[in-house]
Amino acid sequence: DGGITQSPKYLFRKEGQNVTLSCEQNLNHDAMYWYRQDPGQGLRLIYYSQIVNDFQKGDIAEGYSVSREKKESFPLTVTSAQKNPTAFYLCASSTQQGSLFFGEGSRLTVL
Amino acid sequence: EDKVVQSPLSLVVHEGDTVTLNCSYEVTNFRSLLWYKQEKKAPTFLFMLTSSGIEKKSGRLSSILDKKELFSILNITATQTGDSAIYLCAQIGPASKLTFGTGTRLQVTL
Repeated sequence: DGGITQSPKYLFRKEGQNVTLSCEQNLNHDAMYWYRQDPGQGLRLIYYSQIVNDFQKGDIAEGYSVSREKKESFPLTVTSAQKNPTAFYLCASSTQQGSLFFGEGSRLTVL
Repeated sequence: EDKVVQSPLSLVVHEGDTVTLNCSYEVTNFRSLLWYKQEKKAPTFLFMLTSSGIEKKSGRLSSILDKKELFSILNITATQTGDSAIYLCAQIGPASKLTFGTGTRLQVTL
């Protein structure tokens, strides 16, 4: 079945550590996105990529990095520079018309 | 900066009630507006609205867009406990970038 797979679903990290969240899609979508969700703040865009080997910063890119070496994959690294990394992270891909399809999310907790 | 505002922020209703959720936007180069339902994890797609005044329906849910007044509403009739969720509104702007509202948390009680 086609879809978006995020892993891990839950992740704990010590302060000062980098962590990479995986996002894979088999929907053949060109565009992929990373959002962060915090209570009361809705979804905020971290990075997005409209084509392989290209990506742009979203609204809250500081402390994060991404790569897009393959169409199917858009991993997000939460670096130690991110001051408040505890959050729920959602990966998405979109059709050309713009409808987003989301993964199940990854919940990161910094201890 | 593009901004999407949803109201109310939260709502508690009894099963069987009808609810109307609001979404206003102030964006340039507007393309479409989307509604999502988020229960426990990832949001699921409900509607995409591009044209003004055309109602979209799916079962007990319906939605309409007013591009002149820059708002959309999501109606749920005969609510059920399974409708309890966060309902997210988002607009698609240039480069297919989505801007989300903070969501409306709906709780349907027995």
